[in-house]
Amino acid sequence: SQQGEEDPQALSIQEGENATMNCSYKTSINNLQWYRQNSGRGLVHLILIRSNEREKHSGRLRVTLDTSKKSSSLLITASRAADTASYFCATAGGYQKVTFGIGTKLQVIP
Amino acid sequence: DAGITQSPRHKVTETGTPVTLRCHQTENHRYMYWYRQDPGHGLRLIHYSYGVKDTDKGEVSDGYSVSRSKTEDFLLTLESATSSQTSVYFCAISERTDEKLFFGSGTQLSVL
Repeated sequence: SQQGEEDPQALSIQEGENATMNCSYKTSINNLQWYRQNSGRGLVHLILIRSNEREKHSGRLRVTLDTSKKSSSLLITASRAADTASYFCATAGGYQKVTFGIGTKLQVIP
Repeated sequence: DAGITQSPRHKVTETGTPVTLRCHQTENHRYMYWYRQDPGHGLRLIHYSYGVKDTDKGEVSDGYSVSRSKTEDFLLTLESATSSQTSVYFCAISERTDEKLFFGSGTQLSVL
């Protein structure tokens, strides 16, 4: 069963706006990862945040992790049409292999 | 796609026939995984390997078997394909068990 659940399941924004996606999970983790999937392609790793970290940045991406609430958020700033894709959170820890959520479908309108 | 090749990219087969999907990596990563992706379910782990001849079951392993005779190759076999196995299958690799995964381009399998 899915460990992570993304919210919202779909998001449509205008180019230049910020996009925020949330992920909640159920059990303790070692790290949480975010991936992007363009239509018809494999997933691409975006960022990994460890359980002892609270925030991480990579370019226009900002990820936060709140282990007390078992939740994470991915913020994409100044979105571009090329950011249109599905975004997945994935958790890893203990005996559990990397486990994916259902994903958020982001559409950025030019 | 980070030195990972999946073959075939597309396959149509009939119910009851055996099917083998191949994943080949050139990264020398220890861990290899097979996931399936279905609408409404995200990606679910079928089987994984932590070394040559070392494999274990994932969340949705029924009806699937795997083999890894060389570091670079990980095969997924559907012994007798069913329509419920129509899906997109992704191979992934990683250096360590809970670190980032690198994905192949996927195999679209249709079982009629």
